[in-house]
Amino acid sequence: QSALTQPASVSGSPGQSITISCTGTSSDVGVYNYVSWYQQHPGKAPKFLIYDVTNRPSGVSNRFSGSKSGNTASLTISGLQAEDEADYYCSSYTSSSSWVFGGGTKLTVL
Amino acid sequence: QVQLVQSGAEVKKPGASVKVSCKASGYSFSSYGISWVRQAPGQGLEWMGWISADNDATNYAQKLQGRVSMTTDTSTSTAYMELRSLRSDDTAVYYCARGDYRDYWGQGTLVTVSS
Repeated sequence: QSALTQPASVSGSPGQSITISCTGTSSDVGVYNYVSWYQQHPGKAPKFLIYDVTNRPSGVSNRFSGSKSGNTASLTISGLQAEDEADYYCSSYTSSSSWVFGGGTKLTVL
Repeated sequence: QVQLVQSGAEVKKPGASVKVSCKASGYSFSSYGISWVRQAPGQGLEWMGWISADNDATNYAQKLQGRVSMTTDTSTSTAYMELRSLRSDDTAVYYCARGDYRDYWGQGTLVTVSS
């Protein structure tokens, strides 16, 4: 199972909005609404941000939102803050009954 | 509060085995499975597999089939991941996480494979 495709890096200024894409195939993102997103700060464990494409767990800021169109899922962060600078990973369930992660995207807050 | 506490760092020689533990607290252990994810130095996350804490059903990543085993001990709310025939490219931080969604994560265990 190949990794989902994410941009290596994105950047934005405080207060702006950014979107991170996550492209899969018709065997994963395109066919299942089991896409989740994680935030990882350096040296820390990942943090659960979004599940089932659009849902936020309790305690996660409403500045984080998810969506999907076809084989591509997206994470949007609005009102960028310095603390949002981190690596972001998407994950999807697959037709092989396994899970696959994206390669990760480094977000820089300028 | 939900916590997953993992065992400490390990250094192993190529060909050896390693067993990492993950002790859960703050929730009903049998109500959720445990996922295992690893991260090689400077690399992304890799899904290794999942085990049900209810009936010990497992689902392993194809590339690790035959080398990995996941088990649980409900009496101590602890999950275990054993990786055998270690190679240098198994050097990574190994994480346990709650359930398929991986909503809570352990702190990670660094496993270094080096001769």
